[in-house]
Amino acid sequence: TQLLEQSPQFLSIQEGENLTVYCNSSSVFSSLQWYRQEPGEGPVLLVTVVTGGEVKKLKRLTFQFGDARKDSSLHITAAQPGDTGLYLCAGDYQLIWGAGTKLIIKP
Amino acid sequence: ETGVTQTPRHLVMGMTNKKSLKCEQHLGHNAMYWYKQSAKKPLELMFVYNFKEQTENNSVPSRFSPECPNSSHLFLHLHTLQPEDSALYLCASRPEAGAIGSWGANVLTFGAGSRLTVL
Repeated sequence: TQLLEQSPQFLSIQEGENLTVYCNSSSVFSSLQWYRQEPGEGPVLLVTVVTGGEVKKLKRLTFQFGDARKDSSLHITAAQPGDTGLYLCAGDYQLIWGAGTKLIIKP
Repeated sequence: ETGVTQTPRHLVMGMTNKKSLKCEQHLGHNAMYWYKQSAKKPLELMFVYNFKEQTENNSVPSRFSPECPNSSHLFLHLHTLQPEDSALYLCASRPEAGAIGSWGANVLTFGAGSRLTVL
């Protein structure tokens, strides 16, 4: 059974700090997506990565797909309160989901 | 309205009640989905519809009954639920009517969800 494990489960940091959250698996995925879900809303797609080693940037967010396509990371530089939310990773176009990292950025 | 709209946003029901969740999308998509989201658990895919035809039923108990009268509307009928069914139920749609997991611009657009509490 394919699983995606996200870590940490919860992270609370001050505005301006940097952070990295992870999405790991023992299985290989053809693609991996990151979503952000704000309270009271559904998940919204941030990025899709499909090539091993791929790095994509979205303003202060940097996404990396592992060389073996088994893991991914999301790095946020100079976090802002607007980054607060639940960050979900999903493999193979939403077939497999992680449980999410709940991120709180304190002003 | 645009996007994916779910109603009601909140629902409290007893175990013997019958209720329905509604999802409507104005994106012209051909595929619609129901997901269950419980705290600290991965999203669970429940049902998939392509062009009104059910293509996926992920071993969901029969107390959940989906209905898709057209490509824009999706319902989830609820009957004799259990307290463990309390969760956020998310509807989503995508443009391409291919099999789930296929390549292409298969971006899922989610609704805001219906928060269900079963007493």
